[in-house]
Amino acid sequence: KAGVTQTPRYLIKTRGQQVTLSCSPISGHRSVSWYQQTPGQGLQFLFEYFSETQRNKGNFPGRFSGRQFSNSRSEMNVSTLELGDSALYLCASTIGTANTGELFFGEGSRLTVL
Amino acid sequence: DAKTTQPNSMESNEEEPVHLPCNHSTISGTDYIHWYRQLPSQGPEYVIHGLTSNVNNRMASLAIAEDRKSSTLILHRATLRDAAVYYCILRDVWGAQKLVFGQGTRLTINP
Repeated sequence: KAGVTQTPRYLIKTRGQQVTLSCSPISGHRSVSWYQQTPGQGLQFLFEYFSETQRNKGNFPGRFSGRQFSNSRSEMNVSTLELGDSALYLCASTIGTANTGELFFGEGSRLTVL
Repeated sequence: DAKTTQPNSMESNEEEPVHLPCNHSTISGTDYIHWYRQLPSQGPEYVIHGLTSNVNNRMASLAIAEDRKSSTLILHRATLRDAAVYYCILRDVWGAQKLVFGQGTRLTINP
């Protein structure tokens, strides 16, 4: 069974640019959530999508957005990049029908903003 | 979200048991206790979860105090591969589908 796949694994951008990250969940999983990991703030929840609808959102500025497609694949976008957006962005998927289910994480996309 | 408190770091020897503590004094009746770990250069992975009773799986055991204000993750025979950051997380069964990570415990395993 294939795991959660995130692309690209590494990318470098400059301030002011925008970036789109992609996440393919495990087959059959309908919930996809995104997390940001930095050395200073640790792992922080960004948002969660279920059946193409955003169900929950963390405390991040509007520059961070996401969407989910009908095949459950998800993308997140960060516009007007700032140096502080340099982080590991992790995607997690779960079946989504119960709030106690196991989350499966991808290996992440490491973004460096110069 | 109710908070958890874990030691910043712990150290153990290979093939010995490891007990990782977690305090959650403000836990509510609908909070499940979850443990995830993050190996170097990887995303977090699920370890175990429980509500009231002790739980066992192939990776670990979870011992939950009777008053549920604390719990302990037990690795019965640590290997070098168990070196990771371990996160104790409370999830409200009626709450949002998300994980609220603390700083976790960095576990070092000595050969």
